Amino acid sequence: QKEVEQDPGPLSVPEGAIVSLNCTYSNSAFQYFMWYRQYSRKGPELLMYTYSSGNKEDGRFTAQVDKSSKYISLFIRDSQPSDSATYLCAMRGGSYIPTFGRGTSLIVHP
Amino acid sequence: EAGVTQFPSHSVIEKGQTVTLRCDPISGHDNLYWYRRVMGKEIKFLLHFVKESKQDESGMPNNRFLAERTGGTYSTLKVQPAELEDSGVYFCASSGHRDGGQFFGPGTRLTVL
Repeated sequence: QKEVEQDPGPLSVPEGAIVSLNCTYSNSAFQYFMWYRQYSRKGPELLMYTYSSGNKEDGRFTAQVDKSSKYISLFIRDSQPSDSATYLCAMRGGSYIPTFGRGTSLIVHP
Repeated sequence: EAGVTQFPSHSVIEKGQTVTLRCDPISGHDNLYWYRRVMGKEIKFLLHFVKESKQDESGMPNNRFLAERTGGTYSTLKVQPAELEDSGVYFCASSGHRDGGQFFGPGTRLTVL
């Protein structure tokens, strides 16, 4: 079993939809949770960085962590075609080195 | 402020040849990381520099890979001799603090034929 599981998609939604992206993990030592966005031929860009359980909101993006279920989510409200990218979850415990998911490809069509 | 830059963006070499990848971190970032993503797999950690010192090289696959960071500025990752399984995208990232968010470069796509 992989430490971090993430459905690669693709996930295709119409413009304006609410998008839900998810990851599950098995290592209970993970405390820090990150979401990266990666456009084609670019490097990952840090979107959200959260610690422990709870929600964190930044504009149209909300990150949610449920440590009891070992499940994290990223919600995108009012999705735009410019949100089309691959979204990677990453997480770490005491080590500063993150463990990444495979990434979910998101396509927002006009 | 310039981001993390990597050179070349794409390299195609034959098995047995040598390739050197370069990473220029964000100015002032002491922490520099190398990662690799093999097609269809997750991004995997290779090693971490703090200034010019190797802090953690537990992810380096074997001794055909050599990373350096002379003077604590840019870093190079040399693969010698390259094998087919070395193909992938090599990312560099930097951070100001070890616990802070890491800023990634665009990656170098390495193809070994």
